[in-house]
Amino acid sequence: QVQLVQSGAEVKKPGASVKVSCKASGYTFTGYYMHWVRQAPGQGLEWMGRINPNSGGTNYAQKFQGRVTMTRDTSISTAYMELSRLRSDDTAVYYCARDRNYGDSGTFDYWGQGTLVTVSS
Amino acid sequence: DIQMTQSPSTLSASVGDRVTITCRASQSISSWLAWYQQKPGKAPKLLIYKASSLESGVPSRFSGSGSGTEFTLTISSLQPDDFATYYCQQYNSYSLTFGGGTKVEIK
Repeated sequence: QVQLVQSGAEVKKPGASVKVSCKASGYTFTGYYMHWVRQAPGQGLEWMGRINPNSGGTNYAQKFQGRVTMTRDTSISTAYMELSRLRSDDTAVYYCARDRNYGDSGTFDYWGQGTLVTVSS
Repeated sequence: DIQMTQSPSTLSASVGDRVTITCRASQSISSWLAWYQQKPGKAPKLLIYKASSLESGVPSRFSGSGSGTEFTLTISSLQPDDFATYYCQQYNSYSLTFGGGTKVEIK
C-alpha cells in the first residue's frame, strides 16, 4: 500500500531554514511527481511546487521562488522540501502529496500526514 | 496565476440534504478541476478529478460537473461523515491553485 511518512514537527526562529522529509513506500518512487502543499492555521491549501523524482527537475510556485528547494534521494525513496529565510507567516502544516498519475497530472491521490512548522522568536 | 473562488464559504445543512458547492476560475481551465475533502487534523482526500470523474472508492453520492470557468460539487444526500471542508483545485496551468474552501456544517 502507498504510504508517505513525513518528518516530525519543527520549531524555528525567524530567518532560519527548515527541511522536511517525505519517505515514500508501496510504489515506484521515481514514477510519480511529488508535490508540496502547505496550510496555515485555520486557512486554506497552498501549492508550493513539484519535483520529478526521476530527473530531479523542479517547478516552484512564484511566491516561493528563491526561498524553496525541493530535492530527492532515490536510494531511500525520500523527497525533501527546504524553506529558507523563515517568517512568522510560514507557520503552517506542510504536506507532501503524490501525483495521481504516472508522471504529472497535477492532482494528488496520496498525502503525507503533515509536518507542523512553527516559526517563532 | 489562475484564481479559484468558491462559494459559499460556509454552508449549514442537515443529514439527507442535497448540497451544492460552486467553484469559479478566473479564466478557462477546460475540465482540469479536482475536488478534495478535508477533515480537521487530517490531510485532504481526492474526491473528483477532471471535473466529473469520481476517484476510486469515493461514494457515488458525490458528483462534479462544469467546464470552462464554472464548476459544481454536489452531494446528493448528505451523510454524517460528509461534514468537512471542501476545496476545488485547478490543474490547467503549470502553477496549481486551490479555492478558499467551503465548510459544510451541521444545521
